[in-house]
Amino acid sequence: KNEVEQSPQNLTAQEGEFITINCSYSVGISALHWLQQHPGGGIVSLFMLSSGKKKHGRLIATINIQEKHSSLHITASHPRDSAVYICAVRWYNDMRFGAGTRLTVKP
Amino acid sequence: GAGVSQTPSNKVTEKGKYVELRCDPISGHTALYWYRQSLGQGPEFLIYFQGTGAADDSGLPNDRFFAVRPEGSVSTLKIQRTERGDSAVYLCASSLNSLNEQFFGPGTRLTVL
Repeated sequence: KNEVEQSPQNLTAQEGEFITINCSYSVGISALHWLQQHPGGGIVSLFMLSSGKKKHGRLIATINIQEKHSSLHITASHPRDSAVYICAVRWYNDMRFGAGTRLTVKP
Repeated sequence: GAGVSQTPSNKVTEKGKYVELRCDPISGHTALYWYRQSLGQGPEFLIYFQGTGAADDSGLPNDRFFAVRPEGSVSTLKIQRTERGDSAVYLCASSLNSLNEQFFGPGTRLTVL
């Protein structure tokens, strides 16, 4: 069983829709990361959080440590948000990654 | 400033050959990580350096894989006797220290024929 589970695996939305991607993990963590990976492979870190909620522009990330669950929300989605979104948890000295959620936002 | 860079961007080799993949971290970052990403999957941890030493190499799949960081900056991932199953994108990331956000390089796509 993977330590980090994401859902959904694939998500298609219309421009403007509110998007939610979920992440559940089974190990104790010191921090959780949300990453964005565009076609071609480049990975960009969106958030690193260990409690509560963070917001950056149209992106919001929340984490519930007790429930071992995090969500990434995108408000007013746009085609340029199309990418793979990866949840990763810091576990000791390394990170364990989810398989990613492929988001496609159609105009 | 410059981000994490990796060379080469693409490497095609034949089964059984030796390859070296290079990572240049952000200047001043003491922590450096290697990951491997197979098609359609999330990255998988390989090894973590703190300074010059490998603090955690538990993710290296077998003894054909080895990594060094002799001066605490540039790191080289070395793969001996490559196998077709080694084909993947090899990602490097660095952070100021192990507690900080990681910055990823663009990756090296390795194809073993």
